[in-house]
Amino acid sequence: DTAVSQTPKYLVTQMGNDKSIKCEQNLGHDTMYWYKQDSKKFLKIMFSYNNKELIINETVPNRFSPKSPDKAHLNLHINSLELGDSAVYFCASSQVVFPRDLSGNTIYFGEGSWLTVV
Amino acid sequence: LAKTTQPISMDSYEGQEVNITCSHNNIATNDYITWYQQFPSQGPRFIIQGYKTKVTNEVASLFIPADRKSSTLSLPRVSLSDTAVYYCLVGGRSNFNKFYFGSGTKLNVKP
Repeated sequence: DTAVSQTPKYLVTQMGNDKSIKCEQNLGHDTMYWYKQDSKKFLKIMFSYNNKELIINETVPNRFSPKSPDKAHLNLHINSLELGDSAVYFCASSQVVFPRDLSGNTIYFGEGSWLTVV
Repeated sequence: LAKTTQPISMDSYEGQEVNITCSHNNIATNDYITWYQQFPSQGPRFIIQGYKTKVTNEVASLFIPADRKSSTLSLPRVSLSDTAVYYCLVGGRSNFNKFYFGSGTKLNVKP
């Protein structure tokens, strides 16, 4: 089974449309993320949720709205798509590390969703 | 937040050992150093993680000096399939799961 799965893998849509990308993790992790990778291959964190609660929002436009129905799912909804939204969107998850835990966090990524806005 | 600096690209030949160094001058006390590998059209994949000194696993070694302001990923005897982008990250407990990726190092392994 895929640890972090996201759908769709490819999405081509017109400007102005609204679209969603779904993500599910079966690792039992508490924290999930959305990253955006642009054409220059920079990976930028967009959002992070811990146990369904938003903990990181990296100045992403309001058109992007994450939704976490439970800690195993984090979906990304994008309103009024623009050309600049074309990118690869990666979902990821990790386990929260408690202060007494001597290990660091490891992030597990999905395979990515290629969004093309035309 | 600790910023990382890596070479943009490196070339190597099959069978050689490759060392990729990452600078992270303002690493926090609780930060770990993690390296990821990304192939085209795939998500980044965990390679190795360490806090100090040396860590070795089945695919790589990670060398971290005492001041922890840099780290070196060592890939023994690379093959063509090791051609990928390698990212160095610092973070973890000190910033509650905020992980920032740098620009990465594009490793090109030639036959």
